[in-house]
Order: sequence, then structure tokens, then C-alpha cells
Amino acid sequence: ETGVTQSPTHLIKTRGQQVTLRCSSQSGHNTVSWYQQALGQGPQFIFQYYREEENGRGNFPPRFSGLQFPNYSSELNVNALELDDSALYLCASSPGTGYSEAFFGQGTRLTVV
Amino acid sequence: EDQVTQSPEALRLQEGESSSLNCSYTVSGLRGLFWYRQDPGKGPEFLFTLYSAGEEKEKERLKATLTKKESFLHITAPKPEDSATYLCAVQSNFGNEKLTFGTGTRLTIIP
Repeated sequence: ETGVTQSPTHLIKTRGQQVTLRCSSQSGHNTVSWYQQALGQGPQFIFQYYREEENGRGNFPPRFSGLQFPNYSSELNVNALELDDSALYLCASSPGTGYSEAFFGQGTRLTVV
Repeated sequence: EDQVTQSPEALRLQEGESSSLNCSYTVSGLRGLFWYRQDPGKGPEFLFTLYSAGEEKEKERLKATLTKKESFLHITAPKPEDSATYLCAVQSNFGNEKLTFGTGTRLTIIP
């Protein structure tokens, strides 16, 4: 059984650019959530995908968007990057059965300069 | 709006010195309370889920307990390898399965 994997591990982008982050969910998990973690803070919920449909969104602007694919892997896209978007981006997968733990990947460290 | 407050922000202990971390929460119907461990620059590692007041779970030197307003993570005779940030999160019965996290307690165990 493979865990949650994210790519890339580190990324440096320039303000105004666009970025795509990728996540492969744990085997058997159909729900993927994305979180943003600023330095010294707890993770903040961005959005969740369940069986390829968005299933809830946090307080993030529309320039944060996502996709989930038939194999339940997922992408997070961020347009028009701002300096404040610099953070650790975490992907979590869960079986999507209600009372279920979320398992996190190692994260992607995004730096916007 | 769901809220989680963790205290203290940071805690330094001598090896073998037991202590507790606190997580206070408000949530519109608790589905579950989660504890995670996070090492610097890494993703959170799942430790425990607690579902109802009075529930307790243990793993090695860690024991998590839950009341209607707060949870405690007790660490007994800690070792240097227990140094990490410990995150608490709640999941509501309403809506999707998002987790609302606290800002964590940064635990340092001194040899």
C-alpha cells in the first residue's frame, strides 16, 4: 500500500506566474483535500475533492483551483501568484467514509519571489 | 465557525519529564478530533482520532484524552525523538470532511 505522494517537493516561482502542484492519493482513497500551511501556523483548508467533484472550499480566492482525476490523483493550480502564497502546500487523502482519518503527503514548499 | 486553540505554543522538557499538551475546541457537532505530529518541513503524521467525550487512546509514550471542550495529549517519559510540533484538528458533522487545525505546540525534549 503506497502512501500519499506530492510533487515537486520544492518550487520557486516569480510573482504573477502560475503553478501546478500534484498529489497521488493513498491506495483505496477517493477523497483528496488540499491545505496551505504558512510558517509557524496550522494547515488551512483550501478545498476538497470527492470522486472528481469539488466537495467544499475554504476561504481562498478563485485563483486557487483544482482537479481530481479518475484514478483519484489531484492537482492544485494557483494563478497570479502573490508573495503571500509562499507556504507549504499539503495534500491529504482519506477513504471518504465519514469517520475517516486523513493521511498527508510530505508537502510541496512553494516560494514566491 | 469551528475553532481550535492549542497551548502552550512551545514546551521544553528534560528527557523523562512527563507533561501534557492542551487542545481547546469549539465545533458545530464533533465528528472527530485528530492529533498529528509534524517534523520540520514535513507533512503531518497521523497519531490518533477521538470521537466522543471520555474516549482515550494510547500509542507508545503518548496518550490522548477527550472531553466535551478540550483534548489533552499526555506524554510520559519523553525521549529526544519525541521532539516535534503536535497539531490538533477537529472535523465537524456538518458539511465536508475538512479539518480545522490549531497552530500547534512545538515540543523540544532535551537529552
